Amino acid sequence: KNQVEQSPQSLIILEGKNCTLQCNYTVSPFSNLRWYKQDTGRGPVSLTIMTFSENTKSNGRYTATLDADTKQSSLHITASQLSDSASYICVVSGQAGTALIFGKGTTLSVSS
Amino acid sequence: EAGVAQSPRYKIIEKRQSVAFWCNPISGHATLYWYQQILGQGPKLLIQFQNNGVVDDSQLPKDRFSAERLKGVDSTLKIQPAKLEDSAVYLCASSLDQGREQYFGPGTRLTVT
Repeated sequence: KNQVEQSPQSLIILEGKNCTLQCNYTVSPFSNLRWYKQDTGRGPVSLTIMTFSENTKSNGRYTATLDADTKQSSLHITASQLSDSASYICVVSGQAGTALIFGKGTTLSVSS
Repeated sequence: EAGVAQSPRYKIIEKRQSVAFWCNPISGHATLYWYQQILGQGPKLLIQFQNNGVVDDSQLPKDRFSAERLKGVDSTLKIQPAKLEDSAVYLCASSLDQGREQYFGPGTRLTVT
């Protein structure tokens, strides 16, 4: 069964600290993996997208990694800010045109 | 560039009532998606349109949910009659074509009492 599992479910960190979110998937065949940020009351916004051949992709303070062999991805947030408080969702796409498989998300709270 | 627009943003109804949500995708986007996101879960695809045709509605509870995209632009999602378990955020997304990046609207938060 195609699944996307994320950990931790929730995370609280102090402003300025770094953190890493994890994503494991069993989707096959694999096309690409996306990380989305979803602020409370808003729709998800894409942070990064990686295909099979890409190991890392950065977007400002966000760096995503992908290990297609072990089917694992991580999202590293550097020097966290209060505005990073949100839900981070890992999304995997199988064959082109097929439905996206969403993880349940990790809720990040950054406190001052 | 304007994003995906949805209305209303919030809706509270009693069970067994009906409700409709509206979505206006990004101009020129052929593919439109409706998702249901229950609190603490990731979005679940309800229906996918390619222009005005349905591509995937396998997870749409067709006994109570319906959706249309008659002119291949705007879309409406209807629930009739609503149940308590329908309480969720309903997200609309659009993409240039199938398999391309999806852009999400702000969602409609539905509460069924």
